[in-house]
Amino acid sequence: GENVEQHPSTLSVQEGDSAVIKCTYSDSASNYFPWYKQELGKGPQLIIDIRSNVGEKKDQRIAVTLNKTAKHFSLHITETQPEDSAVYFCAASNSGGSYIPTFGRGTSLIVHP
Amino acid sequence: DAGVIQSPRHEVTEMGQEVTLRCKPISGHDYLFWYRQTMMRGLELLIYFNNNVPIDDSGMPEDRFSAKMPNASFSTLKIQPSEPRDSAVYFCASSFGVLNTEAFFGQGTRLTVV
Repeated sequence: GENVEQHPSTLSVQEGDSAVIKCTYSDSASNYFPWYKQELGKGPQLIIDIRSNVGEKKDQRIAVTLNKTAKHFSLHITETQPEDSAVYFCAASNSGGSYIPTFGRGTSLIVHP
Repeated sequence: DAGVIQSPRHEVTEMGQEVTLRCKPISGHDYLFWYRQTMMRGLELLIYFNNNVPIDDSGMPEDRFSAKMPNASFSTLKIQPSEPRDSAVYFCASSFGVLNTEAFFGQGTRLTVV
């Protein structure tokens, strides 16, 4: 089955800095890569996703990149703000298989004012 | 739509007691998932349903765990008997369609077994 590794497990940055979270996956058939943000006391919520037919996607201060050859994808947050503090999860799934996403272990991002 | 609704939000129970967690998925969604979240293991998929039918329960840790979906708008996850190591946050999520789509999570149930 799919295996998703996520790094780092914790990330501490100053407000205004950039933050990068990296994930690798094992199943070359995976073709959908969502990122979820989990705020304290809440369930994970989708913030951005990317499909295997594109290499990069941006949404305001958030961007995701995908390298299919190396089987890794990354989340980039620019100009971080305290409200970006949360746990971020990457996931990978295969629409030709079970399609059920496999999640990474999560990254706790702390943005210091 | 109010989103995925889970109840209760918090549950404290004694070891050996039966625990029932409840979930109401988003109307129209045909997939429902139960996840368990712990510090040690992260987000684990326990079981998922498609059109009310259990498809894969390989993530259910033991026979003490069972899940049902009697209709499209309700699902339960039951633990009987409960043990302290079952303490975790349990999430229900739902999504629409067989193609890769967003999973909508509920607020979770924080279970503490003492």
